[in-house]
This record gives sequence, structure tokens and C-alpha cells, in this order.
Amino acid sequence: DADVTQTPRNRITKTGKRIMLECSQTKGHDRMYWYRQDPGLGLRLIYYSFDVKDINKGEISDGYSVSRQAQAKFSLSLESAIPNQTALYFCATSDLGGGYTFGSGTRLTVV
Amino acid sequence: KNEVEQSPQNLTAQEGEFITINCSYSVGISALHWLQQHPGGGIVSLFMLSSGKKKHGRLIATINIQEKHSSLHITASHPRDSAVYICAVKGSNYQLIWGAGTKLIIKP
Repeated sequence: DADVTQTPRNRITKTGKRIMLECSQTKGHDRMYWYRQDPGLGLRLIYYSFDVKDINKGEISDGYSVSRQAQAKFSLSLESAIPNQTALYFCATSDLGGGYTFGSGTRLTVV
Repeated sequence: KNEVEQSPQNLTAQEGEFITINCSYSVGISALHWLQQHPGGGIVSLFMLSSGKKKHGRLIATINIQEKHSSLHITASHPRDSAVYICAVKGSNYQLIWGAGTKLIIKP
């Protein structure tokens, strides 16, 4: 099993729908992140969490929310999806030494 | 101007060639990461370094803190090395600042 598992891998949804992307990890890392990637751009941080009771906005948090249900689970929600949220989404974890592990990504298309 | 600049943006080479990808940054950092993104989208961490040089197999990463510059080298390149290589730096707020990536294609 992958160390960081994202579900779903691909999703097509309609404008206005609520959608949740899930991430679970077996690394035992406290720190978890959600990024989005758009073509030609670097990854941009949406939200991050340094432990279960800690949630922080990243540079592009508008239109997104997160929930850290447990140390191993960090979910990202789009309350009302819009087409410019079409992107590749990555969940990642990091240890205190700074090493990162990424999930395989979720390709989201909003039509 | 982006805080992390990679060059070149695209690189096509023949199998066996020595490859160099460059990363320059303009902020103070605590560490620099090199990552590889496969055509299917998955991202793998290759190196994390804060000084000097690291080697893993055919991959070598160097960093010059004074010049704010890092290079990733691939020796004896192979078509399976074809991927996007991403440089990211960890700044003072402990968050990663990402370069846009270098798309590498190795032709047989």
C-alpha cells in the first residue's frame, strides 16, 4: 500500500457541487498538506496542518476547506466547485526533518 | 520575478548524455528539495539538501548557499529519466516555495 493514499484518483463534477478529496497516510507524520498544480505553474499550497488540532490557510485557500479527522487523515472540500478549480491536487506529509512524501494526486475536472 | 527559477524549462537530450538542471532562488532558505514528477503525475522526493552535494545512483545534487543556486545532474541519462524535475525551497516560514519545473525528455 502507498504511504500516502489519495481518493479519488480522478473526478469529474459539475459546477456548484460539493466535493471532498480524501487523504490518508501510514507514515506517522504529524504534518500534512494539500497542494494544487496547474499546467506551467509550481505547486501552490491550499491548507496545511501540523497536528490534529492545527489547521492553517495556505496561499490559495479561498473556496476550499479542510478537516483533519485524525493524525492519518486530512480531507479537502470544495463547497461549491467552479471550473477554475479544475487542477491536479496533491496531498503530502512531512517529517520533522523536512522530508516530504506525496500522494499520487487527484485529477479534478469541474464542468 | 518568481522566488524560485528553474532553467531550462524544457530539455530534450539523447540517451547517455549528461544532464544539468539549474535552480536559482532569491530568498533565505533552510533547505532545498529536488523532486521528480512522472508523466502519470506522481511526485517523488529525490533530494533534500542544505549544503554541499548529495549523490544517489546516477543523480547528483549540489547547492551553493552563497550564490543561491542548486543544480541537479543526471549521468548516463536513460529514457526512463524522462519526467518533470522540480526544485522547491523551504523558506523562513517553513513552507515550500516551488519552481515551475523542468520537463526532461530523453530520446533512445
